[in-house]
Amino acid sequence: AQSVAQPEDQVNVAEGNPLTVKCTYSVSGNPYLFWYVQYPNRGLQFLLKYITGDNLVKGSYGFEAEFNKSQTSFHLKKPSALVSDSALYFCAVRVADRGSTLGRLYFGRGTQLTVWP
Amino acid sequence: KAGVTQTPRYLIKTRGQQVTLSCSPISGHRSVSWYQQTPGQGLQFLFEYFSETQRNKGNFPGRFSGRQFSNSRSEMNVSTLELGDSALYLCASSVPGQQETQYFGPGTRLLVL
Repeated sequence: AQSVAQPEDQVNVAEGNPLTVKCTYSVSGNPYLFWYVQYPNRGLQFLLKYITGDNLVKGSYGFEAEFNKSQTSFHLKKPSALVSDSALYFCAVRVADRGSTLGRLYFGRGTQLTVWP
Repeated sequence: KAGVTQTPRYLIKTRGQQVTLSCSPISGHRSVSWYQQTPGQGLQFLFEYFSETQRNKGNFPGRFSGRQFSNSRSEMNVSTLELGDSALYLCASSVPGQQETQYFGPGTRLLVL
């Protein structure tokens, strides 16, 4: 079965400090991995994805993520957090289903990031 | 380019009623997927449409159905509403392909009383 785990429900960090939001996955086959962010009363906003190639992926708003195949992890990072980064972050993995042209996304439970001024 | 739009943004219904939600994808995107978001179950896949055909379906009862039109716009319908159907329903569009990114709309928040 395919699954995504975000082991921390909440991450708190002071503004200006580095932040890490953790994600591990379990899939059969090669994973396509995504990070999304959700602000209150909004939909999901795409941050970055890993498909293949360089294990370090750079995305929007200064975020990056490192794909680690041996540890089956895809942690989201940012060198210097901003108060405006406070939001709910979701890790997702795509699995191709038979007959599907796209494949469904399996999401983690989400991690609430709070950046303190 | 305009993003994914969903209408209505908010809905209040009573048990037993039915509801139809609408999604207009980003121009040029022909693949549309629907997800349900609840505090208890998180984000769960409902269905995926491409070329007016349902390509994939999640583990939801038959009360949940959808369709896609020739202009790629999509609707989902929930019949005989239950209290547990209260959720944020998110639509996402993309070009077809497993490596492609799905872009989400703002969602429709449904409250069932």
